Amino acid sequence: AQTVTQSQPEMSVQEAETVTLSCTYDTSESNYYLFWYKQPPSRQMILVIRQEAYKQQNATENRFSVNFQKAAKSFSLKISDSQLGDTAMYFCAFMKHVNGAARQLTFGSGTQLTVLP
Amino acid sequence: NAGVTQTPKFQVLKTGQSMTLQCAQDMNHEYMSWYRQDPGMGLRLIHYSVGAGITDQGEVPNGYNVSRSTTEDFPLRLLSAAPSQTSVYFCASTRGGYSYNEQFFGPGTRLTVL
Repeated sequence: AQTVTQSQPEMSVQEAETVTLSCTYDTSESNYYLFWYKQPPSRQMILVIRQEAYKQQNATENRFSVNFQKAAKSFSLKISDSQLGDTAMYFCAFMKHVNGAARQLTFGSGTQLTVLP
Repeated sequence: NAGVTQTPKFQVLKTGQSMTLQCAQDMNHEYMSWYRQDPGMGLRLIHYSVGAGITDQGEVPNGYNVSRSTTEDFPLRLLSAAPSQTSVYFCASTRGGYSYNEQFFGPGTRLTVL
């Protein structure tokens, strides 16, 4: 079984600053996907960024980037130029490699990020 | 496309009552799943389905039933609600196949059991 740990229940950052959210995971799988999801007050789950474990290059989506350390089983999210709209709960999630049937996500407990004006 | 829809958005039940949370998707996705979200615990998988007529248990299936008679619909049934089932429930869907496909989440149902 996989486990995902987010050790920062709450974080805050000043608008326009950079913040990093931490995530560690435990798995015996060699092929898997890692994700960061954003959940604003509307409750909608929004995919922020995805990383395939077989790719060494860290994923980037505009202001969002990850630091994927496979050996250390670490997957942090960096948000640059933070905006008020980034205020949300952020979840780290794991999915083992697609085998035609399994699509289960395992989530961490979340980090509540508040961007301060 | 409406995407993944869930009804109702909010529900209050008394202990012992039964109800069905509805989930539907119009994207012809094979895979559908139900998660519950509790404070401080993230989302946990309740049940999932890889296609019409096929369902299986996730991490926390006790107290819940599911069925998948059509590709579009995946209802979650609480036969005898308990206060421990107070939670926010999310339905998700994605395409099948051997390549990665993004999961799409519904807007959630907030359930309170008194």
